[in-house]
Amino acid sequence: EPEVTQTPSHQVTQMGQEVILRCVPISNHLYFYWYRQILGQKVEFLVSFYNNEISEKSEIFDDQFSVERPDGSNFTLKIRSTKLEDSAMYFCASNGNYGYTFGSGTRLTVV
Amino acid sequence: KQEVTQIPAALSVPEGENLVLNCSFTDSAIYNLQWFRQDPGKGLTSLLLIQSSQREQTSGRLNASLDKSSGRSTLYIAASQPGDSATYLCAVRQGGSEKLVFGKGTKLTVNP
Repeated sequence: EPEVTQTPSHQVTQMGQEVILRCVPISNHLYFYWYRQILGQKVEFLVSFYNNEISEKSEIFDDQFSVERPDGSNFTLKIRSTKLEDSAMYFCASNGNYGYTFGSGTRLTVV
Repeated sequence: KQEVTQIPAALSVPEGENLVLNCSFTDSAIYNLQWFRQDPGKGLTSLLLIQSSQREQTSGRLNASLDKSSGRSTLYIAASQPGDSATYLCAVRQGGSEKLVFGKGTKLTVNP
């Protein structure tokens, strides 16, 4: 069964540093997404990406965040200057005929 | 603004029991609804997807129903097993939007 792959599985970074979270969506899917889940809270939408541009974003997705599809397979989320409150599980997803498929997540810890 | 609520927040049952998890949403103009399973510290595994025009979907021991007009969905798990222990998340996709709005989940524990 096709999978969404995320790397790394865990990342620890110092406050103020830039991080890039990487994802390989399912190859024939057209829409890609990032979500996050702060410990003990709901899964929250960050951004959707279609045809090489952002199609929808939440109020959380401010100027410190950016997304990119640098080649035909990878999809990345960059956080420019991390804050303590960015600590969360970040999920990549893609959407096909059978609904969303999520990756296993990257646990980001900002210290 | 769409709000998704899941009741109960936690549920503990003996193995073999049939059970129902509930999900309600405030805006009935949804495109579809999806149930996921989340194991501790892990990603989300899709269980069932119900389109807005459908009333139910079944997969093995799982059956999900949708009553769009009343803003409700249920996930029925038959003959529960300890391996079913996980958090079950309900998520709705609004018409005209790509994003999913999630509930907080129901944490299910099935005791041997």
